[in-house]
Amino acid sequence: SQTIHQWPATLVQPVGSPLSLECTVEGTSNPNLYWYRQAAGRGLQLLFYSVGIGQISSEVPQNLSASRPQDRQFILSSKKLLLSDSGFYLCAWTTGRSAGEKLFFGSGTQLSVL
Amino acid sequence: AQTVTQSQPEMSVQEAETVTLSCTYDTSENNYYLFWYKQPPSRQMILVIRQEAYKQQNATENRFSVNFQKAAKSFSLKISDSQLGDTAMYFCAFISSNSGYALNFGKGTSLLVTP
Repeated sequence: SQTIHQWPATLVQPVGSPLSLECTVEGTSNPNLYWYRQAAGRGLQLLFYSVGIGQISSEVPQNLSASRPQDRQFILSSKKLLLSDSGFYLCAWTTGRSAGEKLFFGSGTQLSVL
Repeated sequence: AQTVTQSQPEMSVQEAETVTLSCTYDTSENNYYLFWYKQPPSRQMILVIRQEAYKQQNATENRFSVNFQKAAKSFSLKISDSQLGDTAMYFCAFISSNSGYALNFGKGTSLLVTP
């Protein structure tokens, strides 16, 4: 069966520090991978998506970047965090076979930038 | 660009009662999918129900059903016989069948079920 792992669960970082959040998927190959951010009162905002290794599409110009070094690994990074980067970050995946398929979510990372 | 609007930030319902959550969307596409996701206090996202736009019949999943009005671009979620475990944030989402690559979510409705 397929599973998605996301870590860490919570993170408190000072402004200006770097960030690395990791997400891995098991039990499937060549998934579409996504990073969403959930800020209070703003729903889920798509940050990045990837349809293959090294293929990253950015939805929102910002202080963050994403990489996909392996087929089932998706990393969210920042060189210098801002206060506005605080939020709940969710990794998700689909098989990519159909637009209407279910999106599987990780358990999320609560990031607080102080 | 497609937008999804949930006009009710918060709602409350008593246990065993019925509640309807509203969702409207804006698109020029004819083929698309609509979803309702639930996020309980654990914050784990759970798919509640899915609707294909070309299907006229409203989707149902046990106590959850939708009222899909394509012409009005409305997609409301009805929860019957509400249970305490239904307390959660509910998100409406949209994706185009042809040009979609990721779900576009609304801002959510926080539902509280009271005893």
